[in-house]
Amino acid sequence: EGHLVESGGGLVRPGRSLRLSCAASGFTFDDHAMHWVRQAPGKGLEWVSGISWNSGRADYADSVKGRFNISRDNSKNFLYLQMNNLTTEDTAFYYCAKDSGLWQQLVLWGQGTLVTVSS
Amino acid sequence: SYELTQPLSVSVALGQTARITCGGNNIGSKSVHWYQQKSGQVPVLVIYRDFNRPSGIPERFSGSNSGNTATLTISRAQVEDEADYYCQVWDSSARGVFGGGTKLTVL
Repeated sequence: EGHLVESGGGLVRPGRSLRLSCAASGFTFDDHAMHWVRQAPGKGLEWVSGISWNSGRADYADSVKGRFNISRDNSKNFLYLQMNNLTTEDTAFYYCAKDSGLWQQLVLWGQGTLVTVSS
Repeated sequence: SYELTQPLSVSVALGQTARITCGGNNIGSKSVHWYQQKSGQVPVLVIYRDFNRPSGIPERFSGSNSGNTATLTISRAQVEDEADYYCQVWDSSARGVFGGGTKLTVL
């Protein structure tokens, strides 16, 4: 089924940027769409963004549209999330998740990386 | 934007049947997925496309979807089923939508 490992989280000041990475292994990465889902501490799940297998399609939640950019490098089996103009509302655990195909069910989740936006 | 409504909490006696609902406008026309998240752990898919169980998920987990309500049913509930459960769909703009989550307590 595979393995996903996120990295790049940390403490950042409001208005600054951060880039998250997700290393995929154990499956054919470019057969699957990939997504980022976040969860503020003690809160529910929120879908953030998704990207198709060939990067031809990318979608964003309204809360991050225009500030976040999702990308992938199929040659390296990596998924990325560039986050700009961060606000305290972006504080959350960020999970990368493997789609079973193209905007289907999320069959594999990473352990998450914590992003804390605070002055 | 599309919204999914779940009860905040559901309690069930050990060995009995728990039902967790997920309400949405004409949700019966969408594919609903359900995720289980135990305390301190990452979400795990337990039902996909309304009623399908991934391999490794016990048969006591089942799902249905019709009209304005999708339902996750857990038969013969066990202590290890205590968790938060989230329903999820894709809206008409291909954005993911999660319900607010339901905390299941097994008494």
